[in-house]
This record gives sequence, C-alpha cells and structure tokens, in this order.
Amino acid sequence: GAVVSQHPSRVICKSGTSVKIECRSLDFQATTMFWYRQFPKKSLMLMATSNEGSKATYEQGVEKDKFLINHASLTLSTLTVTSAHPEDSSFYICSVVPGNTEAFFGQGTRLTVV
Amino acid sequence: GQNIDQPTEMTATEGAIVQINCTYQTSGFNGLFWYQQHAGEAPTFLSYNVLDGLEEKGRFSSFLSRSKGYSYLLLKELQMKDSASYLCAVRDSNYQLIWGAGTKLIIKP
Repeated sequence: GAVVSQHPSRVICKSGTSVKIECRSLDFQATTMFWYRQFPKKSLMLMATSNEGSKATYEQGVEKDKFLINHASLTLSTLTVTSAHPEDSSFYICSVVPGNTEAFFGQGTRLTVV
Repeated sequence: GQNIDQPTEMTATEGAIVQINCTYQTSGFNGLFWYQQHAGEAPTFLSYNVLDGLEEKGRFSSFLSRSKGYSYLLLKELQMKDSASYLCAVRDSNYQLIWGAGTKLIIKP
C-alpha cells in the first residue's frame, strides 16, 4: 500500500491568518490527491481533488479562493486555508488512491482557529 | 442523489459479536470499502467487496449483496480496542468514493 504523510497534525491559529497543510506521498507517485474535511461525528466530506501540474477540482460549495490547493510535484500537495475563521476549525485529511485500490490516508490535521 | 446509510451508534460487549449494516444508493458501483477510524485519527482500511458474498479476514468479515444495495461488517470476539467509528464507502461509476457518516461502536466490558 501507499504511505501518506500529512503535516502538521495539529495547528492553532488566529482568525484572519493563513495555515498551510502538507500532504506527501512517500512511496507512490500521485498524480491525484484528495482533500477531505470532517466535522465531529460527521462523515468525510470531499473538498477537492488535487491534480499534479494543473488546477484542482473543487466540490460544489467549496470556496477555491479560501482553500488554495497546490500540487506542484508527484509527491506533494498542499492545502492552504486563507483568512481562517473559527468556522474553518475542523479535521482535514488527505488521501491517495493508487490504481483501483483502496484509499490511503494521511494522519490528518486538526485545525483550531481562535 | 447518492446516499449511504449506516446506524449512528451501536453498543456491544467485550467478547461478543456485532454486525454493522450499510445500505447504499449510488450512481454505479465499483466496490464497497469498510474503514475503521479512531477518534482524532485518519481512517484505516479494513475490507473491500466488489462481488456478492462474504470476505473473511481474521476477526472481521464483510458481506455484500449488490442486488440489495447492502453490506455488513461483522466483528467477532470483540476487544476494547475495537471501540471506534466504522465507515462504509462505495466507489461509484466515476471511481469517486462516497462515504457514509460512520457508525460509532462502543464496547463495554
């Protein structure tokens, strides 16, 4: 299976600042990575599909100017939450799907905006 | 629309057996997955079904009936560490994963 590393695992930031979350595929060249958001006791919600070398594909209702995604290489995708607000506090998880196998997830990032 | 239903919460006793059900309505079907997720952690893969029938893997088994849009995850010889949320996910015709809200399983001694 694929090994996915996500950093940081926890971050606390002030309202109005930006936070960058990194997702690295350590042993698999990922042309596509997926970014999810999860609220407490809720399902994983797909935010966007990150595409290496091109623009990300955002799900309906997700603000692309607020959640900036960059997939500059086959092993790294970043999600930047810009001008963060308390309602952006959530658990953010990235994943890769090598071929038609199961999804492999990063460790997740707990974001708290104060 | 696409929909996956699972019970919100279940309680079982250590050493016992529990069955977690999942029903789905999706645009096409290319496999069903079960994941385990402990609080504050990412999901970990448990099982995959694409054909009808039972897949057994140690203490965990997963069943699929495509005609009924139904699956279950069976956990035997429950241990306290099995307390977690169990997520059902279906891969649709576009190979997108559609996730259920998860079933929180509480194990009591």
